[in-house]
Amino acid sequence: DQQVKQNSPSLSVQEGRISILNCDYTNSMFDYFLWYKKYPAEGPTFLISISSIKDKNEDGRFTVFLNKSAKHLSLHIVPSQPGDSAVYFCAIRPFGNEKLTFGTGTRLTIIP
Amino acid sequence: DTEVTQTPKHLVMGMTNKKSLKCEQHMGHRAMYWYKQKAKKPPELMFVYSYEKLSINESVPSRFSPECPNSSLLNLHLHALQPEDSALYLCASSQVLRLTVNYGYTFGSGTRLTVV
Repeated sequence: DQQVKQNSPSLSVQEGRISILNCDYTNSMFDYFLWYKKYPAEGPTFLISISSIKDKNEDGRFTVFLNKSAKHLSLHIVPSQPGDSAVYFCAIRPFGNEKLTFGTGTRLTIIP
Repeated sequence: DTEVTQTPKHLVMGMTNKKSLKCEQHMGHRAMYWYKQKAKKPPELMFVYSYEKLSINESVPSRFSPECPNSSLLNLHLHALQPEDSALYLCASSQVLRLTVNYGYTFGSGTRLTVV
């Protein structure tokens, strides 16, 4: 029972363009949504988060959008840079629970 | 200090061995976690410690035994593992969630475990 899905296992984007990574979830009882970036042989690095009371949060080149009615989360990276090439995981936390559930991941490749 | 330090980085052990993975942080985080990640899969939660007490055990087999001796240290004791336990083991820490409005776990770089 996969509660969090990232339907695109991989994505290639030209440098300078916008990268859009998507995440769908099935359970409404989540209050915090996060994005992590992971390089090989390293731990995930926290990028940006959004609480369930908001629909947008921006931090530099990264913007996260939350559509609660569609149970959909997206991460926009603009402009995309070669250093952004990594695996991106969305992660979701339920109300009153410390457990973080990760999506299946999307490998982003930025083409110079 | 904004890091979570895991040792060793690589570990090869036999199925009859006993070994321990170590994790340390000095950020004042009172929640610490063990995750397991297999190749091409997302990290999966194993254990959560909150204020040095085990708060979540995700039905992990008893051959994995966590320990939190103090607020900065987290250990994972391994005994009689199987080859399918080979994976990247990640430690993470965070503020206790009820005390913060915004957080992100800080992960260590992981221990690459191979069971032979």
